[in-house]
Amino acid sequence: ETGVTQSPTHLIKTRGQQVTLRCSSQSGHNTVSWYQQALGQGPQFIFQYYREEENGRGNFPPRFSGLQFPNYSSELNVNALELDDSALYLCASSLGGGQVAYGYTFGSGTRLTVV
Amino acid sequence: AQSVTQPDIHITVSEGASLELRCNYSYGATPYLFWYVQSPGQGLQLLLKYFSGDTLVQGIKGFEAEFKRSQSSFNLRKPSVHWSDAAEYFCAVAAIQGAQKLVFGQGTRLTINP
Repeated sequence: ETGVTQSPTHLIKTRGQQVTLRCSSQSGHNTVSWYQQALGQGPQFIFQYYREEENGRGNFPPRFSGLQFPNYSSELNVNALELDDSALYLCASSLGGGQVAYGYTFGSGTRLTVV
Repeated sequence: AQSVTQPDIHITVSEGASLELRCNYSYGATPYLFWYVQSPGQGLQLLLKYFSGDTLVQGIKGFEAEFKRSQSSFNLRKPSVHWSDAAEYFCAVAAIQGAQKLVFGQGTRLTINP
């Protein structure tokens, strides 16, 4: 079985720009969650998608948005980038609408640097 | 709202020595508890989890953790560390009801001395 694949692995953007990060979920997983991990911090929950609908959201502003596609892959979009958006963005896929009992599989992340 | 505290930001131990990483959580009921490990430039790998039942949980790579409700703790232990255990370790809690998200602690960076 394939794991969770995230692209790109690294990118650099300028403040005010927009960015799209991509995630291919593990085969058979129907739920995708996104986390932001700032340097020296633990990951923070951004939002979760199940059956192409947002299924929960953390304390992030609306300029953080997402999509889930019929093949369960997902995108994270961030508009009007700020310097504090610099972080490792982690995608996790799971079964059953994101119930933690089913377990999460994390990707290796996308390192975003905003200059 | 649930929260997790990992009191030790950085721990150094000698190879072959025992290890204990501390984790305290805040949640109104019995939570789901997890320990993850993150190597540099990598995602998170699940070491072990506690949902219910036996309070001593065995995980991968020789790790174990003990849930102590009275202390709101879920400390991670290993009897003898290997150089390859050097990494960042995260404790996490998840609510059983509602949108099930993971809430992580700040992490503990483990350095192994040869």
